[in-house]
Amino acid sequence: GAVVSQHPSWVICKSGTSVKIECRSLDFQATTMFWYRQFPKQSLMLMATSNEGSKATYEQGVEKDKFLINHASLTLSTLTVTSAHPEDSSFYICSAPTTVASNQPQHFGDGTRLSIL
Amino acid sequence: GENVEQHPSTLSVQEGDSAVIKCTYSDSASNYFPWYKQELGKRPQLIIDIRSNVGEKKDQRIAVTLNKTAKHFSLHITETQPEDSAVYFCAAQHSGNTPLVFGKGTRLSVIA
Repeated sequence: GAVVSQHPSWVICKSGTSVKIECRSLDFQATTMFWYRQFPKQSLMLMATSNEGSKATYEQGVEKDKFLINHASLTLSTLTVTSAHPEDSSFYICSAPTTVASNQPQHFGDGTRLSIL
Repeated sequence: GENVEQHPSTLSVQEGDSAVIKCTYSDSASNYFPWYKQELGKRPQLIIDIRSNVGEKKDQRIAVTLNKTAKHFSLHITETQPEDSAVYFCAAQHSGNTPLVFGKGTRLSVIA
């Protein structure tokens, strides 16, 4: 079945560091990638939607200059957390539909646990 | 936009009993309703889904019902087992290229 590969799975770094998270679609073309964030004991909240070849759209309250999204190819979308701070510590996860048709499951990456010291 | 409410937030059942989790959605245009099971530190795993042209779907011990008129859908787990213990999320989607909107989750504990 369709697979989304997400790396890294775990990052621990100092405050002020920038962290890049990659999501690759391995056996399909992901024209769209959704980026979610999940704080402990909370639900998945959509941060932004990336579309290949165009600018990402961000949800209200998500700083686009802090969370840089690039979707330069049909198989790769990246999220860069710039100058990360402890409050950015969270579980970040991407998902992609394999088709624009309705009513089909999306495919999630394994997630990235980001811990900022 | 879409808003999904999920209840209860926590649920404890004895092994072998049934568990029911309920969700409501606000956007009548939503037409795809998946349920996910998430274990600690892992990605959500799709366990069952239902589409708007279907009222009920069953897969072994798991079933989902959908009432489009009332805009609510429910997850039913029968003969619960300790390995069913996890957090369960419902979600709603408008179309294939739109994001999922998740409920807040239900922490299910199955007591042996």
